Amino acid sequence: EAQVTQNPRYLITVTGKKLTVTCSQNMNHEYMSWYRQDPGLGLRQIYYSMNVEVTDKGDVPEGYKVSRKEKRNFPLILESPSPNQTSLYFCASGAGGSRYEQYFGPGTRLTVT
Amino acid sequence: GQQVMQIPQYQHVQEGEDFTTYCNSSTTLSNIQWYKQRPGGHPVFLIQLVKSGEVKKQKRLTFQFGEAKKNSSLHITATQTTDVGTYFCAGGSTSGTYKYIFGTGTRLKVLA
Repeated sequence: EAQVTQNPRYLITVTGKKLTVTCSQNMNHEYMSWYRQDPGLGLRQIYYSMNVEVTDKGDVPEGYKVSRKEKRNFPLILESPSPNQTSLYFCASGAGGSRYEQYFGPGTRLTVT
Repeated sequence: GQQVMQIPQYQHVQEGEDFTTYCNSSTTLSNIQWYKQRPGGHPVFLIQLVKSGEVKKQKRLTFQFGEAKKNSSLHITATQTTDVGTYFCAGGSTSGTYKYIFGTGTRLKVLA
């Protein structure tokens, strides 16, 4: 089954404790991206990647890191989480080229206390 | 920076009534996508529009992309309870990247 998976689905952590949210897709997609969703603000793009070893900033990259060492994986790293990073995070992937549709993972709800 | 405004923020309709949501970008877009997110779920792709003035239909849903490629609309004819959810547009940058700006979404509630 074609899908985007994220882990963990729920995470409660404390300020400053480094964490990684994993994202994997099995569709051989070139493009992958991370978004955060906050009430009243919609989805905001954090980082995206057009291919292995190619990443770029979205609209809200501060406080986040990403890497794309393999085509299927695109982890999101919070080196020193803060309460304002409490949010619902979605990973997405897409074929790229002239096909702009994105397939979203189920989401990771992160709470930073 | 680029902004995409979406209106209305909320819409309650009686089942069978029509519904329209609008997106307006501060800059010209290369493409626009529409997504639907059910409560507690993740966004699901509905359609992409690329050409100026493009109109696409999916059963009861009609999507339009403005002539100037700065605005778009989604119209649902004769809403059903299964249409409940939040509808988002996502505008693609003309810079050749895959940088996207999402609208804030329109939450649709359909009353039976």
